[in-house]
Amino acid sequence: GENVEQHPSTLSVQEGDSAVIKCTYSDSASNYFPWYKQELGKRPQLIIDIRSNVGEKKDQRIAVTLNKTAKHFSLHITETQPEDSAVYFCAASRWDSNYQLIWGAGTKLIIKP
Amino acid sequence: EAQVTQNPRYLITVTGKKLTVTCSQNMNHEYMSWYRQDPGLGLRQIYYSMNVEVTDKGDVPEGYKVSRKEKRNFPLILESPSPNQTSLYFCASSGQDSSYEQYFGPGTRLTVT
Repeated sequence: GENVEQHPSTLSVQEGDSAVIKCTYSDSASNYFPWYKQELGKRPQLIIDIRSNVGEKKDQRIAVTLNKTAKHFSLHITETQPEDSAVYFCAASRWDSNYQLIWGAGTKLIIKP
Repeated sequence: EAQVTQNPRYLITVTGKKLTVTCSQNMNHEYMSWYRQDPGLGLRQIYYSMNVEVTDKGDVPEGYKVSRKEKRNFPLILESPSPNQTSLYFCASSGQDSSYEQYFGPGTRLTVT
């Protein structure tokens, strides 16, 4: 079955710098890769997702890149701000069964003032 | 307002006392899931449902039951709770109309003593 590994578990960056979180997956049939953000005490919320027919997707300060050959995908946050502090989760699934997401263990992002 | 609700939000109980956590969504979503979240382990799927009367096991189904008698409701039942089921539980729903984005409930913090 699918397995998703996420690194690092904790990431501390200076406000204004960039942050990169990486995930690898094992099932080559996976073709849907969402990223969720969970603020302290809140529920996870989708921030960006990508399907395997594209290599990169951007939404303002966040972007996701996908390398299907190497089976890894990454979340990039530029010009980090205090409100970016949260736990970020990557996940993977097949598009036609994305109610069965396999989740990474999460990355706690700390933005230092 | 589109939302997923869960009740109760907090629950402290004793080993062996049956309990039910309710989940309801008002978005007419086909898919619903239950997750548990534990530190360092991310989100693990307990059960999911693809529609009314259609449910299946996720990654960690032992000790849990679910039912889907109505499209909007997906209760989680712990017949005989044990301390290792102490966790934060999230219900989520998704559907074709929302491009399969998973909408999470606010979470239920369960403590079993």
